[in-house]
Amino acid sequence: QQPVQSPQAVILREGEDAVINCSSSKALYSVHWYRQKHGEAPVFLMILLKGGEQKGHDKISASFNEKKQQSSLYLTASQLSYSGTYFCGTEIGNQFYFGTGTSLTVIP
Amino acid sequence: DTGVSQDPRHKITKRGQNVTFRCDPISEHNRLYWYRQTLGQGPEFLTYFQNEAQLEKSRLLSDRFSAERPKGSFSTLEIQRTEQGDSAMYLCASSLLPASSYNSPLHFGNGTRLTVT
Repeated sequence: QQPVQSPQAVILREGEDAVINCSSSKALYSVHWYRQKHGEAPVFLMILLKGGEQKGHDKISASFNEKKQQSSLYLTASQLSYSGTYFCGTEIGNQFYFGTGTSLTVIP
Repeated sequence: DTGVSQDPRHKITKRGQNVTFRCDPISEHNRLYWYRQTLGQGPEFLTYFQNEAQLEKSRLLSDRFSAERPKGSFSTLEIQRTEQGDSAMYLCASSLLPASSYNSPLHFGNGTRLTVT
């Protein structure tokens, strides 16, 4: 049931770009993206609905392909503050599942 | 909007003891979720409420776990006869609407870290 994310971990230098993918074996009707920094609670980034695409921040955007049951998060010109673990999330049945997570580390 | 608050922040207990955690959601939010998270893993769904009704409970949740939301406001999560495997961060989240709506992000509290010795 849990969406699978790739890659599991990525290390970037400041200014580089990254893509995080989220795939589900179940039909997706909406996808959430969250970022969690070490020792803190997850923080909402954005939500995408079926057939839609929404930008949550200037340099962080996402796409949603409901036919492929996939979503991707795009981070451009990464900053040190982008470091953390990124989770996609989706409602399946009456449960809200988080993905397997992607650890992103941005280094100077 | 004062955010989601959880109490206590940390709890250390001996195996076999009962513990209870409290979550106060954002006041106008009618959905409330409980998650468990262990180091390096994503949040694992435990249960959720729509107002005072508990609509879903994970099959992974043993009978030692029980949650209530008596008046549709705050919620409590109780773990009876704690085991060392219960050690984790317990997160509470609330949302205004179903997750399939634009206005339905989950707002998380800072969690209760449980250590069972």
